[in-house]
Amino acid sequence: KQEVTQIPAALSVPEGENLVLNCSFTDSAIYNLQWFRQDPGKGLTSLLLIQSSQREQTSGRLNASLDKSSGRSTLYIAASQPGDSATYLCAVMGARNTGNQFYFGTGTSLTVIP
Amino acid sequence: DARVTQTPRDKVTEMGQEVTMRCQPILGHNTVFWYRQTMMQGLELLAYFRNRAPLDDSGMPKDRFSAEMPDATLATLKIQPSEPRDSAVYFCASGGGTSGNNEQFFGPGTRLTVL
Repeated sequence: KQEVTQIPAALSVPEGENLVLNCSFTDSAIYNLQWFRQDPGKGLTSLLLIQSSQREQTSGRLNASLDKSSGRSTLYIAASQPGDSATYLCAVMGARNTGNQFYFGTGTSLTVIP
Repeated sequence: DARVTQTPRDKVTEMGQEVTMRCQPILGHNTVFWYRQTMMQGLELLAYFRNRAPLDDSGMPKDRFSAEMPDATLATLKIQPSEPRDSAVYFCASGGGTSGNNEQFFGPGTRLTVL
């Protein structure tokens, strides 16, 4: 079964700093990987989706990379802002007879200090 | 602005009562997922449907949970009878739209409290 791990579990940085969130997965047979943001008491908001054939995706200050062979993805946030404070989750869609099931990591709780 | 909607947003009920949660997926999406989120377990997949057919409900306690899609615009998750350990936030997500990239879009969730 696919296992998804996110490190660190929590991160606190001063405003303006660039930061990297990590996601690792055990089975490299994936269709895609998706990064989400979750604010307290809210649902998940999709940030970036990387297909298995892609190496990275960018949206504004966010850049997500995918190294399928090593089972890793990173989410890079440039020039962090207090509004970036949230929990960030990665999810991988398995490709081994698992249909469209997503496997979620436990998330990284980010706090950006003004 | 297409989005997944869920009702109710909050539900407080007593142990033993039936609970029904509803989800309206984004129009044109052919895949619907039900997840449960707790502090202890994180996000767990309960069930998912493709083209209204259930593909996997192995994450659901079968004796008390049931999931259905009466039509393409409505998915339901029922718990009968409910127990305090069912207290969690239940999310519905839809995907599989015309983009073909399998991106998932989440609803705002139903916060269930079973007393």
